[in-house]
Amino acid sequence: DTAVSQTPKYLVTQMGNDKSIKCEQNLGHDTMYWYKQDSKKFLKIMFSYNNKELIINETVPNRFSPKSPDKAHLNLHINSLELGDSAVYFCASSQGGRNTEAFFGQGTRLTVV
Amino acid sequence: DQQVKQNSPSLSVQEGRISILNCDYTNSMFDYFLWYKKYPAEGPTFLISISSIKDKNEDGRFTVFLNKSAKHLSLHIVPSQPGDSAVYFCAATRYNTDKLIFGTGTRLQVFP
Repeated sequence: DTAVSQTPKYLVTQMGNDKSIKCEQNLGHDTMYWYKQDSKKFLKIMFSYNNKELIINETVPNRFSPKSPDKAHLNLHINSLELGDSAVYFCASSQGGRNTEAFFGQGTRLTVV
Repeated sequence: DQQVKQNSPSLSVQEGRISILNCDYTNSMFDYFLWYKKYPAEGPTFLISISSIKDKNEDGRFTVFLNKSAKHLSLHIVPSQPGDSAVYFCAATRYNTDKLIFGTGTRLQVFP
């Protein structure tokens, strides 16, 4: 009974391809996020959505486009993949507002070759 | 510009002893701090948090201490258990924002 689930868990693709990562949460949270953990293990926020509205966009290239069809889902679409996009991408959700801890999915390891 | 720093990439502790993980931050606007624990191939899981109006918060074997003047916090685990072996991330956030700023993590290994 996973709280935050993302698919796929692993994704290997060639440069230039377009790919999507899906995320769903069953916690009833209002806010969802995408975080990226790079090869140096830095875990950085990319986007946050609150009730399907974009709240945070941390100067991510516009090849990355989040889509939130409803507040339980936040998908990440990446166009024209580059080698530097290889990382682990984590989806998360929280009740939103001040000082609430986020619940994370298991991560999607993206490898661009 | 790394606003949250964990200067020890790894820590090794014997089972039953205390583990102390440290975290420093540079942004004085941060007012809420969290610790996350991460096992391999899993997402981070929330462990414990502390508001800037407090200097200590305790939950079972886990205690977080905050020293605002030094911009330093620490996580104490006592007694340490082998199942505590994981990577621990410190995170900070500030009022009216909805994002966590993470440190780079400390890998804790608890050996028998």
